[in-house]
Formats: sequence, structure tokens, C-alpha cells
Amino acid sequence: GAVVSQHPSRVICKSGTSVKIECRSLDFQATTMFWYRQFPKKSLMLMATSNEGSKATYEQGVEKDKFLINHASLTLSTLTVTSAHPEDSSFYICSARSTRGYNSPLHFGNGTRLTVT
Amino acid sequence: DQQVKQNSPSLSVQEGRISILNCDYTNSMFDYFLWYKKYPAEGPTFLISISSIKDKNEDGRFTVFLNKSAKHLSLHIVPSQPGDSAVYFCAALGGSEKLVFGKGTKLTVNP
Repeated sequence: GAVVSQHPSRVICKSGTSVKIECRSLDFQATTMFWYRQFPKKSLMLMATSNEGSKATYEQGVEKDKFLINHASLTLSTLTVTSAHPEDSSFYICSARSTRGYNSPLHFGNGTRLTVT
Repeated sequence: DQQVKQNSPSLSVQEGRISILNCDYTNSMFDYFLWYKKYPAEGPTFLISISSIKDKNEDGRFTVFLNKSAKHLSLHIVPSQPGDSAVYFCAALGGSEKLVFGKGTKLTVNP
């Protein structure tokens, strides 16, 4: 089946540094990828929609300059958390659809646990 | 405003019995619903879905029921197995690609 690979799975960084998270679709091309953030005991919150070859679409309340998204190819989207702070510590998950049609299931990566010290 | 609600944060059932996970939604524009299963430190895995034109969809041990008038759906797992222990997320779509998730229900199946 369709596989979405996310890297790294865990990262610990110091406050003020930047962290890049990669999301790859391994056996399909994804013109659109989605980035989610999961807070403890809360649902997955959509942060932004990553569009290949164009700017990402951010959800309300998500800082564009803080969470930089680049979708340089049909198989790779990156999320960079800039000038990370402890409150950015969270579980970040990317997803993509392997087939066209908005109601085709999303395939998720295994997530990245970010800890900012 | 929580558009997709899973009011039970946890559920515990005995192996072999039926697990019923419930989900309510408020947005009448939602027309497609999905259930995802998630293990700790992993991304969600798609389980089963249902379109609003149906009221039931079955796949092996998993059946999803949709009651549009009540804006309610449920996931039935029968028979439940210890490997089913995970967090189950209900999600909905309504005319866009934005998937709206509930908060999840942690299912524990006891041997």
C-alpha cells in the first residue's frame, strides 16, 4: 500500500534553533501534503496544506514565519520549525493522498516527536 | 468549536466481545467519514470509511454505521482482539480536503 515516510522520528533541540522535518511519499506522487500537530489528549490539528510548486496554505492561528513549509517535488514536503521554543514541543505528522479525489483516505507518516529544551 | 466529537476518551472491553466507538458531528456539510487507528509514537492508520449516501460499511471485523439524522457514527469491532488496543480517531470531510478529527478514544482490549 501507499507509504508515507517521515524523518526524523524524534528530535531534541535547544531553544532558538531550527528543526527541519521531512515527509516523503515513497511509492506515489503527492501534489498535496498535509501537516498536522497533535497536542496531548487532543485531536490532530491541521496546521497547513503543502502544495507542490506553490505556497503552503496555513490554517488560522498557525504562524507562517514560524512553521516554514516547502514542497519542492511531488514526493517531498518539509516543515521547518524556526527559532523553536519549548511550547513548540509536540508530535508533528504529515500525510498525503495516493489517489485523486478529496475523499480518498489520507496516508500518514509515523510522526516526529519534537522536544525543545 | 469541536465539529467532530468523540465523547468517550477511553473504552475497555474483553477479548472476543464487541467494541463500539462512537462519534458525533455538528457540521451538516460533512459528507465523508473515516476512522483511523493510532498506536503510540506512530502516525494514524486508515481503517474504514463511509460516504454519507450509505448508512453502513463493513470490512472484516470492522463495521461503521452512519446515522445522518442524528449526526452520529459508530465503529463496531467484533470480535475484539488485544491487538486492537489503540487510539481510534473519527474524522470527517465536507467539500474540501481538510480532514477534521475528533479527539480520539483509547480502546483497551483485555485478554
